[in-house]
Amino acid sequence: ILNVEQSPQSLHVQEGDSTNFTCSFPSSNFYALHWYRWETAKSPEALFVMTLNGDEKKKGRISATLNTKEGYSYLYIKGSQPEDSATYLCAARGETSGSRLTFGEGTQLTVNP
Amino acid sequence: DTEVTQTPKHLVMGMTNKKSLKCEQHMGHRAMYWYKQKAKKPPELMFVYSYEKLSINESVPSRFSPECPNSSLLNLHLHALQPEDSALYLCASSQVLVETQYFGPGTRLLVL
Repeated sequence: ILNVEQSPQSLHVQEGDSTNFTCSFPSSNFYALHWYRWETAKSPEALFVMTLNGDEKKKGRISATLNTKEGYSYLYIKGSQPEDSATYLCAARGETSGSRLTFGEGTQLTVNP
Repeated sequence: DTEVTQTPKHLVMGMTNKKSLKCEQHMGHRAMYWYKQKAKKPPELMFVYSYEKLSINESVPSRFSPECPNSSLLNLHLHALQPEDSALYLCASSQVLVETQYFGPGTRLLVL
C-alpha cells in the first residue's frame, strides 16, 4: 500500500486569491496520480490524471503539475471563487498496485466571499 | 450519461438486519468498485469487479457480500453489521481497470 500525503489539511482563502496545495507519494513505485474534487453531498469529480514526469494539466482556473522523480504533485487554483470550496483529494496508483488507488486525506478548501 | 447512481442515500440498520446497497452506471464501464470512507479519512478500497468477476477483495469481513449481476449493476449485501461499520460507502466505475474511476455520491450507513 502506498503512503499518500496531502497538505495542508485545510485552507481558508478570500475570493480572488490564488492558492495551491500538495500531494506527495512514493517516487520509487509510481504509475499514475489522480486529482478529485469533492463537494459536500455530491460525487467526487475526476479533475486530472497524470502519469509522466513534468506533466501539466489545466481545466479552467485549476491546473496541476507532476514531479515523479521527487514524488509530488501540486494543484493550483487561480482567482478562487466560493464555488471552488470543496475537498481536493489526490490518489496514487503504483506500478505494482494493479487497479488499486491509494487516496490522501484531502485538502479542505473554503473560499470566503 | 456520465453518472454513477447509488441507492439509498441514507440507511439506518440494526445489527441483526439484512440490507443491500445498489450502484448503477450506464457508461459501458466494465470495472466497478466499492469503497468505504470513515469521517475525515480517505476512501478505502473494499472490492473490485472486472467484467462482472470479482478481481480484488481487500480482506473485507464476510458480513459484506458484493454481487455484480450484470455490467451496469453492483450490489453490496449487508448482514450482521457492527456499529463500527457505520461509514459512507462509495461506488465507482471505470472503462476498464487502471482507467480513471468515476464515483457515485455514496450511501451513508448507520448501524445501531
